[in-house]
Amino acid sequence: QKEVEQNSGPLSVPEGAIASLNCTYSDRGSQSFFWYRQYSGKSPELIMSIYSNGDKEDGRFTAQLNKASQYVSLLIRDSQPSDSATYLCAVIGGSQGNLIFGKGTKLSVKP
Amino acid sequence: ETGVTQTPRHLVMGMTNKKSLKCEQHLGHNAMYWYKQSAKKPLELMFVYSLEERVENNSVPSRFSPECPNSSHLFLHLHTLQPEDSALYLCASSQDWDRSYEQYFGPGTRLTVT
Repeated sequence: QKEVEQNSGPLSVPEGAIASLNCTYSDRGSQSFFWYRQYSGKSPELIMSIYSNGDKEDGRFTAQLNKASQYVSLLIRDSQPSDSATYLCAVIGGSQGNLIFGKGTKLSVKP
Repeated sequence: ETGVTQTPRHLVMGMTNKKSLKCEQHLGHNAMYWYKQSAKKPLELMFVYSLEERVENNSVPSRFSPECPNSSHLFLHLHTLQPEDSALYLCASSQDWDRSYEQYFGPGTRLTVT
């Protein structure tokens, strides 16, 4: 059973701090990695995708991928209360195009 | 209208009812998906359609019946559901059913089975 693991949280950080969200996956052949943000009562919104080892930056968000360790993370710099949401890590496995989701990490940014 | 739309947004139905969920994507994508999201569980993939052909059916009970008449529309027909089927049902689409393409979600239908 291919799995994606995330700490469910809640992760609480003060406004302006860096929030660090982590994810591990079991399928070593996985090729594509995504972070979705889901506000309470809303649908998931794609915020980052990463396909190769290293860092990818987009504004305040940085995704980091380490395929050797089967680890992907999301850093949010200068966290804002509006960043408070559940962050879902999703992975496409090596054999087909289906996304496998983690349970999500709930982030709370305190003013 | 842009993106992925779903109707209805909320649905309450009895266990003997028949209803349908509708999804429409305006992105020119070739693949469409149904997911179920229950509390405390990861998003569960139910069905995948690529170019109107079903390519994945993840052991979903037959009381859920998908239909994809064209690459822009996807339906989920519901009949004789159980209370445990109450959940958020999400539709998504992607350029193709491939290991690299990003999926975009609709707003979801909140289903309550009484």
